[in-house]
Formats: sequence, C-alpha cells, structure tokens
Amino acid sequence: DTAVSQTPKYLVTQMGNDKSIKCEQNLGHDTMYWYKQDSKKFLKIMFSYNNKELIINETVPNRFSPKSPDKAHLNLHINSLELGDSAVYFCASSRGTSSYEQYFGPGTRLTVT
Amino acid sequence: GENVEQHPSTLSVQEGDSAVIKCTYSDSASNYFPWYKQELGKGPQLIIDIRSNVGEKKDQRIAVTLNKTAKHFSLHITETQPEDSAVYFCAATPYGNNRLAFGKGNQVVVIP
Repeated sequence: DTAVSQTPKYLVTQMGNDKSIKCEQNLGHDTMYWYKQDSKKFLKIMFSYNNKELIINETVPNRFSPKSPDKAHLNLHINSLELGDSAVYFCASSRGTSSYEQYFGPGTRLTVT
Repeated sequence: GENVEQHPSTLSVQEGDSAVIKCTYSDSASNYFPWYKQELGKGPQLIIDIRSNVGEKKDQRIAVTLNKTAKHFSLHITETQPEDSAVYFCAATPYGNNRLAFGKGNQVVVIP
C-alpha cells in the first residue's frame, strides 16, 4: 500500500560505473520528480516529468538521464558515476503541475567509492 | 528564483514544551508553503501546508502561520513528544509553479 516506492534502497558502486534507480507511484498522479539530498540534508530538485514529458530540468550534469516509460514510473539513470554523486536520491509525485502537494518516496542512498 | 531561509538550524525542547521554526522567503509571488518532516532513514513527509489566502492553519498539535507582508511563515508544534524529533523542512513556490524551493532543514530534538 506504499504510495511512492523506490528501488534499490541502498546502492554502493565504484567510480565510472553506470547505475539506475527506479521509482513507481500508485497514487494516480501525473507529475513525478527526482530530488537530491546531500550530506548536509539540503534538498534540491533535479527533474520533473508531467505525463511523461520533461518539464523541469535543473542544472544537472548530462550524465544524469531521467526516463518516464509511463506516468506512474520515473527512473533515473546515471552514467560514469563520480564521488560527488554520493547522496540520497528521492522520488516524489504530485497530482499535476498546478497541484502542489508532493509526496516523497523512501529514498535511495547512493555511495560511490 | 525563490530563496528560502530556515531558522534555527537546531532546536532542542523539553517534552511537553512548544517548538517554533521560522522560515523566510524572497519571492513575493510565492503562495504555497508546505512543511515536511523527515525521520531518520525516511523520505520527507508532508505534515501541513498553507496557501497565501489564509494566515493560519492548524491540525491537532501542529499549526502554521503566514505573514505575507513580512514574507515569513512558521511551524508551531505544541505539547511536543519524543516522536516529534526529526528534521523539519519548509518550502515555498509561486502560483502555477511546482518547483518547490526548500529551506535547509531544522533538526528538532525533544528531550524526554
């Protein structure tokens, strides 16, 4: 009965590898997001999709590529991982672009060694 | 873009006392102000929000107040309990914009 789910919860990998994080929501929402939370707990938006269309793309390195196969899923693929990519990544969703209540998933802790 | 400042960064209170966290924002066009609670190892959870057409909103032991003139809003937690210990984030966004700008978070510690 989880609303927004992410897999995996923990991801440990070496520099230079490529990895993906998956997100799914069963709330029937049209808009999904990826946020990055750094070691100081600062939350910053990375991307947002509405009905599979990219609507927010912050100044994120192009090694990060989101993909939305349908409006219930938003995956994040990261190429050539760097030490600085270590963080907790949160997926979130909201009813639409004009509805503001955003619901967050449990997070994926990515550690790059 | 919107810039949200959150104070204090850490707050310790005795169980049963009240806790108040204050946030200021920069964009006068902002009209939606949510508060999130993040427990250790979990994602942020929306606990209360307020829109600019109201000045105060209450839900059991938590309340949010908004002062649009001064561009600040506050979270009030009364009768604090140990389970209120968490990091609290405020955020703001202008009308029609779903790009939430978050404050840096406030660690609240309730001492039993």
